[in-house]
Amino acid sequence: EPEVTQTPSHQVTQMGQEVILRCVPISNHLYFYWYRQILGQKVEFLVSFYNNEISEKSEIFDDQFSVERPDGSNFTLKIRSTKLEDSAMYFCASSEAREGQGKGYTFGSGTRLTVV
Amino acid sequence: GESVGLHLPTLSVQEGDNSIINCAYSNSASDYFIWYKQESGKGPQFIIDIRSNMDKRQGQRVTVLLNKTVKHLSLQIAATQPGDSAVYFCAENRPSGGYNKLIFGAGTRLAVHP
Repeated sequence: EPEVTQTPSHQVTQMGQEVILRCVPISNHLYFYWYRQILGQKVEFLVSFYNNEISEKSEIFDDQFSVERPDGSNFTLKIRSTKLEDSAMYFCASSEAREGQGKGYTFGSGTRLTVV
Repeated sequence: GESVGLHLPTLSVQEGDNSIINCAYSNSASDYFIWYKQESGKGPQFIIDIRSNMDKRQGQRVTVLLNKTVKHLSLQIAATQPGDSAVYFCAENRPSGGYNKLIFGAGTRLAVHP
């Protein structure tokens, strides 16, 4: 079964550093998403991306964050000048249809970001 | 440690019993709903979905019920097994500006005891 692949699985970074989280969505999917989950809390929407541009972003997704699809397969989340409160699991997801029909959105296994 | 920040409601059931996990959603414009299972250290895993023009959908050992009048969703798991122990999230697909985004509920931890 097709998977969304995320790398690295765990990233430790020093406060103030920049990190790039990488995702390879399912190949025929057109809609891409990043979500965040602080330990023990619910999964929060960050941003959606379609046709090489952001379609929607949440209040969390401020100027510190950016997304990019640098080639035909990768989808990245960049966090500049990381803060302690950025420590969380970051999930990438993709969907084939706008409505997320069928199995809806497929999520990757996540990258655990630890800011020290 | 792992317990910091944990505020999830917990449902404890005996192996073999049926489980019912409930969820309230907020937006009447939401048109599609999904239940996800999340095991420790893993991403959300699709269980079952339902569109807003339905009120019930059945899968293998799982049933989702949708009550649009009170904006309530439930997940029923028949003959619960130890492998069902996980956190369960409902999610609503919310149309927004011609696109969609998935909004997650708070989650319920299911603990299955032998």
